[in-house]
Amino acid sequence: DQQVKQNSPSLSVQEGRISILNCDYTNSMFDYFLWYKKYPAEGPTFLISISSIKDKNEDGRFTVFLNKSAKHLSLHIVPSQPGDSAVYFCAASAFGANNLFFGTGTRLTVIP
Amino acid sequence: KAGVTQTPRYLIKTRGQQVTLSCSPISGHRSVSWYQQTPGQGLQFLFEYFSETQRNKGNFPGRFSGRQFSNSRSEMNVSTLELGDSALYLCASSFPTGEGNTEAFFGQGTRLTVV
Repeated sequence: DQQVKQNSPSLSVQEGRISILNCDYTNSMFDYFLWYKKYPAEGPTFLISISSIKDKNEDGRFTVFLNKSAKHLSLHIVPSQPGDSAVYFCAASAFGANNLFFGTGTRLTVIP
Repeated sequence: KAGVTQTPRYLIKTRGQQVTLSCSPISGHRSVSWYQQTPGQGLQFLFEYFSETQRNKGNFPGRFSGRQFSNSRSEMNVSTLELGDSALYLCASSFPTGEGNTEAFFGQGTRLTVV
């Protein structure tokens, strides 16, 4: 049973515009959420995280929003750059547990 | 600061053999987790080690095992390899503070092909 879901397998965005990647989860015990960027045959690279006590966290061009009541989070990338083209995974964990549950990923393509 | 190092990067094994993969975490990180990535199942948690003890385990058969040494380096072993074990095996390290969760940093992975 997939506890973390990314329903959009792919997304294409023009350079300079906003990219919005979405993620839904089902387990109400999750209280820590992360976004990773991944290239083929490489390990995921950590981008940004958010704790359930917050509803927004920003780091440069990346902002993560968390809506606990809807069990939904999103990653905003502004402005999008061609180098952002990769597969993006959201992940979740429960308090004190280091095992991450991953979504299936969204392939972002930023068109120059 | 050096990142998470996994060796080897690529490995080809025959069905029925066993394999050992190695992971050196970021200096100071005491938690090491292992994940399997396949096209069909995505990224799935195998197990986590903290201070040489397995702290958490995913839903994988007993053929998958691991250990952690006193210097936090970890090894993962798969015995009696099956074709379906072909995957990218990823190691992640983190520095749990006890105050909540922390980010996990991944190595580049070991690509295992079973023929």
